[in-house]
Amino acid sequence: GNSVTQMEGPVTLSEEAFLTINCTYTATGYPSLFWYVQYPGEGLQLLLKATKADDKGSNKGFEATYRKETTSFHLEKGSVQVSDSAVYFCALNPQSNYQLIWGAGTKLIIKP
Amino acid sequence: SAVISQKPSRDICQRGTSLTIQCQVDSQVTMMFWYRQQPGQSLTLIATANQGSEATYESGFVIDKFPISRPNLTFSTLTVSNMSPEDSSIYLCSVEQSNTGELFFGEGSRLTVL
Repeated sequence: GNSVTQMEGPVTLSEEAFLTINCTYTATGYPSLFWYVQYPGEGLQLLLKATKADDKGSNKGFEATYRKETTSFHLEKGSVQVSDSAVYFCALNPQSNYQLIWGAGTKLIIKP
Repeated sequence: SAVISQKPSRDICQRGTSLTIQCQVDSQVTMMFWYRQQPGQSLTLIATANQGSEATYESGFVIDKFPISRPNLTFSTLTVSNMSPEDSSIYLCSVEQSNTGELFFGEGSRLTVL
């Protein structure tokens, strides 16, 4: 079946460090892939997405590349800020039927 | 992108009571989704609400416990009935708008049951 596996948190980094949050998936066909972010006390918002293999999604300095050969969609940022502290969710849409499959979420803590 | 408003944003309730959460969208959408996010957990889909038909519930969720209304294309309500402390969660309303599988979320309703 379809599933998403995320790096377990919390991930604690110092400001300006390089960030990688791993996400791998299992799916049939050609799913769309997403990263959502949930800042403290808020709902979720889309951070970036990729709809086909080799696509790179990017937003606010974050990037993720849809790698079909490794079934991965790792989230990266070159230099994190305290304001990036949040919970990050990887998700996939198997066949555009609106039923997203969610990862467990990774809490990111950035220390000044 | 859709703008979604949820009310209440938070509430503290007594065991055995019921609470209705409202979700208002600034544009017409076909499907609305209700999620539950238990403390420190990921999201779990409760049900899909389509206008003009009964909601479709996911495994583990039933209409008697979580009745849903969808009177028009911009509004939905979720009721959490006969609450217990295990119902303490964030309840999130979401919509899919662009036919890409991308979801837009309300800010959530944080429910604490004593």
